[in-house]
Amino acid sequence: DAMVIQNPRYQVTQFGKPVTLSCSQTLNHNVMYWYQQKSSQAPKLLFHYYDKDFNNEADTPDNFQSRRPNTSFCFLDIRSPGLGDAAMYLCATSRGPSRGSHEQFFGPGTRLTVL
Amino acid sequence: QKEVEQDPGPLSVPEGAIVSLNCTYSNSAFQYFMWYRQYSRKGPELLMYTYSSGNKEDGRFTAQVDKSSKYISLFIRDSQPSDSATYLCAMGGGTSYGKLTFGQGTILTVHP
Repeated sequence: DAMVIQNPRYQVTQFGKPVTLSCSQTLNHNVMYWYQQKSSQAPKLLFHYYDKDFNNEADTPDNFQSRRPNTSFCFLDIRSPGLGDAAMYLCATSRGPSRGSHEQFFGPGTRLTVL
Repeated sequence: QKEVEQDPGPLSVPEGAIVSLNCTYSNSAFQYFMWYRQYSRKGPELLMYTYSSGNKEDGRFTAQVDKSSKYISLFIRDSQPSDSATYLCAMGGGTSYGKLTFGQGTILTVHP
């Protein structure tokens, strides 16, 4: 089945210790998004890759970085996690508006705990 | 003012009830609208997608969009306990990369 996969599902890190979250997709979609979702809040877009083009949202902290080495994989790097970065991190994919598609398909999420 | 407003609930209904979930928005650039269902500690699952005013039906679910009033709704008929989840409205338009703006989500519980 075509899908969006996130690893790990649960990640515990220490304050200030870098952490990397992984997303892979078998949908061959052009756009990959990273969202942060805190408890009882709406998902908040951090950044996206449209093919190889990377775009930050204006209010995404510099502490968050992303890499997309190929079409299938995208990584979220948090350089120095703070207590406020504890959240669910969601990866989503889309074929993209240039291909007439706006639907986004989400992975199961990675729940990050910062001690 | 938030771009998308959604009543967080919680909403509790008996099995078999008709459920109505609603969102209002302020951004006239929004052209397409989605509803997602999110179970606890899981990722959102796309339920409905529409881009025109009017109704769209899929099984027990009906999505309704009124662009003139900037108001969207999701109706669930014959609700089941398995429908218990958080329902997120999402909408977009005016960007080249398909950015979605989400509502806060409504927590729904359907009790047997």
